[in-house]
Amino acid sequence: DGGITQSPKYLFRKEGQNVTLSCEQNLNHDAMYWYRQDPGQGLRLIYYSQIVNDFQKGDIAEGYSVSREKKESFPLTVTSAQKNPTAFYLCASSIGGAGELFFGEGSRLTVL
Amino acid sequence: AQSVTQLDSQVPVFEEAPVELRCNYSSSVSVYLFWYVQYPNQGLQLLLKYLSGSTLVESINGFEAEFNKSQTSFHLRKPSVHISDTAEYFCAVTDGTDMRFGAGTRLTVKP
Repeated sequence: DGGITQSPKYLFRKEGQNVTLSCEQNLNHDAMYWYRQDPGQGLRLIYYSQIVNDFQKGDIAEGYSVSREKKESFPLTVTSAQKNPTAFYLCASSIGGAGELFFGEGSRLTVL
Repeated sequence: AQSVTQLDSQVPVFEEAPVELRCNYSSSVSVYLFWYVQYPNQGLQLLLKYLSGSTLVESINGFEAEFNKSQTSFHLRKPSVHISDTAEYFCAVTDGTDMRFGAGTRLTVKP
């Protein structure tokens, strides 16, 4: 089945540790996105990539990093510089342009 | 950059009543508009979209939305809701580069 796979679904980390969230898609989509979801704030764009080896910052990129070495993969690293990392993280992909987004099931990160 | 405002954070409604979830957008260029639905602890699913053509678009489960360029709105409506429509609904806009979402409207359908 074609789709987007995020892992892990739940993750607990201590303050000060870097964490990497995985996002893989087999839809052959060019564009991939990372969003952060907090209650009452909707989805805020962290980073997006329209093509391999290229990515752009979204509205809340500080404290996060990404890479796009393969078309299928767009991992997100939550660094220790992110002041409030506890959130629900959603990865998405699209064919690009005006294409709709296809979402993964999300990763819930809790920093203790 | 474009932005989206969803005017209601929560909408409680009784089963079989009509509902409208309001969405306004701002952009300096032409945009494409979407409504997504999210069930608890899941990702978002596309409900319907406006790309071009007829300003009234419909989903397979009875929702419809109308693109109004002069009022920069894309309100979502359903004439008769079901318990199963209880979820969070997000309006989104893209100019073809990145997609921006509203804060969401939690629709609660009561029996």
